[in-house]
Amino acid sequence: GNSVTQMEGPVTLSEEAFLTINCTYTATGYPSLFWYVQYPGEGLQLLLKATKADDKGSNKGFEATYRKETTSFHLEKGSVQVSDSAVYFCALSDEYAGSARQLTFGSGTQLTVLP
Amino acid sequence: DAGITQSPRHKVTETGTPVTLRCHQTENHRYMYWYRQDPGHGLRLIHYSYGVKDTDKGEVSDGYSVSRSKTEDFLLTLESATSSQTSVYFCAISEGSGPSYEQYFGPGTRLTVT
Repeated sequence: GNSVTQMEGPVTLSEEAFLTINCTYTATGYPSLFWYVQYPGEGLQLLLKATKADDKGSNKGFEATYRKETTSFHLEKGSVQVSDSAVYFCALSDEYAGSARQLTFGSGTQLTVLP
Repeated sequence: DAGITQSPRHKVTETGTPVTLRCHQTENHRYMYWYRQDPGHGLRLIHYSYGVKDTDKGEVSDGYSVSRSKTEDFLLTLESATSSQTSVYFCAISEGSGPSYEQYFGPGTRLTVT
């Protein structure tokens, strides 16, 4: 079956540091890949996505590139801010399964940015 | 804001009692999902719906049932709550099922079963 593996947290960085959160996946077909972010007490928000190999998703200074050869979708940001403190989830979208596209999530990585 | 509300937002209940969680959307989206979030597991799919009265099981459906009698409402029922169902429950919606359609999540319901 499909699975997503994320680097374990928590990750603590100083403001303006470079961020990488690793994500690798296993899938039988050709999934779409997503990064979601969850701020304290809130639901998940889509941060970025990529739907095919070599696509780069980007949003709010975050980037991730869909690497089929290494089955990876690592999240990066050049200069983090305190407001980026949150839990980040990598997810993949199954191929058309039944009548709905289902998401498989990684376990999440807690990021804390210190001023 | 994706126009998704969940009720209640918090609930404490006793083992063996029935519990119903409600998800309401104002977007008229066809697809709706129920997930549970537990530490170390990310989110896992419980049930989903692809239209009124059309539902199917997800990865962790045992002990849960769902109903969708209107496009805007998707109900999750725990017939007899157990302590292992203590979790945070998220509803999600999606306009379509192709790769360009992302899922939008509600604010969550924190359920504690004592």
